[in-house]
Amino acid sequence: DARVTQTPRDKVTEMGQEVTMRCQPILGHNTVFWYRQTMMQGLELLAYFRNRAPLDDSGMPKDRFSAEMPDATLATLKIQPSEPRDSAVYFCASGSGGSNTEAFFGQGTRLTVV
Amino acid sequence: AQSVSQHNHHVILSEAASLELGCNYSYGGTVNLFWYVQYPGQHLQLLLKYFSGDPLVKGIKGFEAEFIKSKFSFNLRKPSVQWSDTAEYFCAVMGHGKIIFGKGTRLHILP
Repeated sequence: DARVTQTPRDKVTEMGQEVTMRCQPILGHNTVFWYRQTMMQGLELLAYFRNRAPLDDSGMPKDRFSAEMPDATLATLKIQPSEPRDSAVYFCASGSGGSNTEAFFGQGTRLTVV
Repeated sequence: AQSVSQHNHHVILSEAASLELGCNYSYGGTVNLFWYVQYPGQHLQLLLKYFSGDPLVKGIKGFEAEFIKSKFSFNLRKPSVQWSDTAEYFCAVMGHGKIIFGKGTRLHILP
C-alpha cells in the first residue's frame, strides 16, 4: 500500500533549536508539497517541488525555513531557529505531477516549540 | 494566483440530514478541483476530484460535488449524513501545478 511517510510524527523542541522534518514521497511521484496546518490559518502551502527542483516557496518564511530534496526519495523541511509561533502540524504530500494529479498526504509532523 | 473560499466554518447536523458545503474558487485558467476530508487526528484523504468532463462528480462514502463554471463553484453534497461523517472538509483548487486549500469546514453530526 503506497503511502507518504513523514518523520518524526511528533516533535517537542525548545525555542531557538533547529528542527528537521522528513518526508518520503510515494515511489514514482515527482511532485512534493509542504503544508502547515494551524487553527487560525488552516492549510498553508509552504513550498512545492517538481523533479526535486523548488517551483514555489513563496509561502515559506525565508529567514528561518528551508526546504530541499536531496534525492527523489527524500524531502526535508528545516526550521532554524525555531519559534513558538512555528508550532503547527506540518504535512507533506506527493503527486504524480501530471496535469490530472492529486495530492496524497502523509500523516503529518506535529511540532511544538516551547 | 488561485484562491478558495469555503462559506461555512462550522456546520452541525443531525444524522440523516442532507448536507451541502459551499466552495468558490478564483483562478483564471483551467482548474482541477478537489474535496478532501480530515477525520480527527488524521491526515487528509481525497473524497473526490474534478478534472474535466461531467460536472457532477461522485466520490467515496456517498459524497458528490457539482462544478458550476459560471459560478466558480464546486459545492459538496451528501443526501443523508452519518455520525461517522464528523470531520473537517477542505475544498482545493489546482492551478499551475500548485494546490491551494480553503480554510475548511468543520462538520459535526449529532447522533
